[in-house]
Amino acid sequence: GEDVEQSLFLSVREGDSSVINCTYTDSSSTYLYWYKQEPGAGLQLLTYIFSNMDMKQDQRLTVLLNKKDKHLSLRIADTQTGDSAIYFCAESMAGGGNKLTFGTGTQLKVEL
Amino acid sequence: DAGITQSPRYKITETGRQVTLMCHQTWSHSYMFWYRQDLGHGLRLIYYSAAADITDKGEVPDGYVVSRSKTENFPLTLESATRSQTSVYFCASSPPRGQDQPQHFGDGTRLSIL
Repeated sequence: GEDVEQSLFLSVREGDSSVINCTYTDSSSTYLYWYKQEPGAGLQLLTYIFSNMDMKQDQRLTVLLNKKDKHLSLRIADTQTGDSAIYFCAESMAGGGNKLTFGTGTQLKVEL
Repeated sequence: DAGITQSPRYKITETGRQVTLMCHQTWSHSYMFWYRQDLGHGLRLIYYSAAADITDKGEVPDGYVVSRSKTENFPLTLESATRSQTSVYFCASSPPRGQDQPQHFGDGTRLSIL
């Protein structure tokens, strides 16, 4: 079955690192994505990782994938107030017709 | 401008009325999707389309109808709106599989049904 889980809230201080976690259940996942949603806006793609990789770095963002445990994380270095948003992880499956299954989202609050 | 646009951005209507939400993309992407976003549920897939004249049900299709006569447009119709369909609706598009491209989203339509 398809199920993607995230914790609902995360609060960090400006300048600290944020780590947002995601677990999924479908071992046939091919790509895993991180999207950001700011208030009143649509989902913006942040980064994604292919399932045969275990890490991807893109400026302040680091994605770690533990395929054995079906665990995905997004680390944001030097978190800024502009990073406050809802973050969604999503998985696509081989043969899934480009469909994505989304987690419920993690609301990140960055405090001064 | 290139991209994906949804209209209207906000809509208020009454139960029993028909409502159509529009989605237009300029990338000539093959795939298009409709999601609804509700608190505690994340995004749930309503319908999707792999190409013009090809549509398929997602996780929550009941009460919705879609069509795709042209590649660039993918309207979503609520034939007889109910209060449970109050939600934020997002349209997305993506190229065919194998091009290593994820889904791209519109800014959403906020629909309230009274």
